[in-house]
Amino acid sequence: AQSVAQPEDQVNVAEGNPLTVKCTYSVSGNPYLFWYVQYPNRGLQFLLKYITGDNLVKGSYGFEAEFNKSQTSFHLKKPSALVSDSALYFCAVRDINNAGNMLTFGGGTRLMVKP
Amino acid sequence: DSGVTQTPKHLITATGQRVTLRCSPRSGDLSVYWYQQSLDQGLQFLIQYYNGEERAKGNILERFSAQQFPDLHSELNLSSLELGDSALYFCASSARDFQETQYFGPGTRLLVL
Repeated sequence: AQSVAQPEDQVNVAEGNPLTVKCTYSVSGNPYLFWYVQYPNRGLQFLLKYITGDNLVKGSYGFEAEFNKSQTSFHLKKPSALVSDSALYFCAVRDINNAGNMLTFGGGTRLMVKP
Repeated sequence: DSGVTQTPKHLITATGQRVTLRCSPRSGDLSVYWYQQSLDQGLQFLIQYYNGEERAKGNILERFSAQQFPDLHSELNLSSLELGDSALYFCASSARDFQETQYFGPGTRLLVL
């Protein structure tokens, strides 16, 4: 079975400071990893994904994520946070050994960026 | 805007009733997915259809069913509704199946009273 853990329910950061939202995963095979963001009363928006290749993945709105196989982690990062980045962030994993393309999501991390 | 549309946006109904949620995927996408988001269960995968055929099944209750039509739109049917079915139901679509990025619709918020 595949699973995702987001150990922090909330992350607080000051505007202009770097931010990190943590994610660890568990799969039986090689993982496909995704980050999505959810703004209030909106659907999930795709930020970035890791399939294979370079461990540092760049995505939308200046976000990036680093895949670390030995630590089974896929942390989301941004060098300089904006107040508008405040939202709910979800990490998701797909196990290539599973049929179909189902995603398993973490519990979400609320990011609060204060001016 | 992801290009995935869902109707209705909000739905209020009573226990024991049946409702149908509708999803239109992005133009050209063959796969449709349904997810449920609730406070206690988080985001859970329900079911995936690919080009009209069921492709994968997750934690979908027997009271729930789905289908994908020849024009690729999908419907999720929820019957014998219970209070605990109140949740946000998302549809997502992807171009094909394997390793494809899923793009999510705005969701249908269901409230069962």
